[in-house]
Amino acid sequence: SQQGEEDPQALSIQEGENATMNCSYKTSINNLQWYRQNSGRGLVHLILIRSNEREKHSGRLRVTLDTSKKSSSLLITASRAADTASYFCATALPLEYGNKLVFGAGTILRVKS
Amino acid sequence: NAGVTQTPKFQVLKTGQSMTLQCAQDMNHNSMYWYRQDPGMGLRLIYYSASEGTTDKGEVPNGYNVSRLNKREFSLRLESAAPSQTSVYFCASSPRLAGGPSYNEQFFGPGTRLTVL
Repeated sequence: SQQGEEDPQALSIQEGENATMNCSYKTSINNLQWYRQNSGRGLVHLILIRSNEREKHSGRLRVTLDTSKKSSSLLITASRAADTASYFCATALPLEYGNKLVFGAGTILRVKS
Repeated sequence: NAGVTQTPKFQVLKTGQSMTLQCAQDMNHNSMYWYRQDPGMGLRLIYYSASEGTTDKGEVPNGYNVSRLNKREFSLRLESAAPSQTSVYFCASSPRLAGGPSYNEQFFGPGTRLTVL
């Protein structure tokens, strides 16, 4: 598997439902970030969680990080049609792994109204 | 405050032609990046510049060159375009190198859709 794999690849839900996306990675990390990409646009940063944090909230977003399992999840509560987009996790690798940000392949979220 | 701008938005090339993709940021960021995005593969780093005057190869540098013209501008050049370079190209910037302990987020431009025939 690659560094930063999202699951599921695609998710379709009704407006008002919660959406959960998962990310797994292979190496140690300094932090993990989630980005959103609307169709035909660039990526936009959503939230960052540090390696010593376990949970973080921002509005309707909740991110968890389990470094022992090398996994993270992004929860979007009370989803809206405007949340329809692709969501990417990105792992910030320490110096011994190149000191860079590595993106996963993304989860396509469709919220039906 | 425009953030990260890229030109052109769209480009069609024939195999063997050359072109330069332009990127500029007005956030006084030190680090800049070029990615390509292909269906089902996420973003792959082509080249990056940790700070003005330095450039380094990323994951997929073959067939590309870069120039960090000044702190604001970072260009990507395709010397002899190939159909395998058909992709969407994104430029990004961050205050400092995005990996490491500095907790940086990256800011992305709108992308350039390149087709090589």
